Amino acid sequence: GIQVEQSPPDLILQEGANSTLRCNFSDSVNNLQWFHQNPWGQLINLFYIPSGTKQNGRLSATTVATERYSLLYISSSQTTDSGVYFCAVEGGTNAGKSTFGDGTTLTVKP
Amino acid sequence: DTEVTQTPKHLVMGMTNKKSLKCEQHMGHRAMYWYKQKAKKPPELMFVYSYEKLSINESVPSRFSPECPNSSLLNLHLHALQPEDSALYLCASSSTFTGRGAYNEQFFGPGTRLTVL
Repeated sequence: GIQVEQSPPDLILQEGANSTLRCNFSDSVNNLQWFHQNPWGQLINLFYIPSGTKQNGRLSATTVATERYSLLYISSSQTTDSGVYFCAVEGGTNAGKSTFGDGTTLTVKP
Repeated sequence: DTEVTQTPKHLVMGMTNKKSLKCEQHMGHRAMYWYKQKAKKPPELMFVYSYEKLSINESVPSRFSPECPNSSLLNLHLHALQPEDSALYLCASSSTFTGRGAYNEQFFGPGTRLTVL
């Protein structure tokens, strides 16, 4: 099946700093999503982005499908941004079957 | 409305109990999913229903039995679980279940934290 690698595994920032999270995948994808999992376990949709660039406030994401990677940018980080960020992809030959990366654990300190 | 609801929020059960987890969505989605997430690990797909029919079963033990009574509801029946089945169980839904080019954004519920004693 498709392999998904996220980096870095852990990231500690001071409030106000910017960061870039990366998601590499091993095969062509139909779908790619970025999620933020809060401390209570809720997976919050950030972006549905199988290709191209999107922005939502302080967050933006870019997927370059031909090079098999996606980036999530967080600007002016806040303590509420802390949590685990997951990339999930649905491979070209596995409709409906999403594979998650291991996640990036972000800690934003005041 | 992009809400998926799950009940109960927490569940503690013994190894001989029978219990059920419930999931509901009113977004008109036709695909629904069960995931299992252990602590500090990513969610792992268990089952996928498309148009109320089981489409994907990721070789899950038979002590987990899914059911999709209608397009809005998804249940997970639990019987004779083991302590290693303790985890966060997440339900998700998406508008469709097709391949390349299809819009398949998944929306997750808050999960049920299951503890098996």
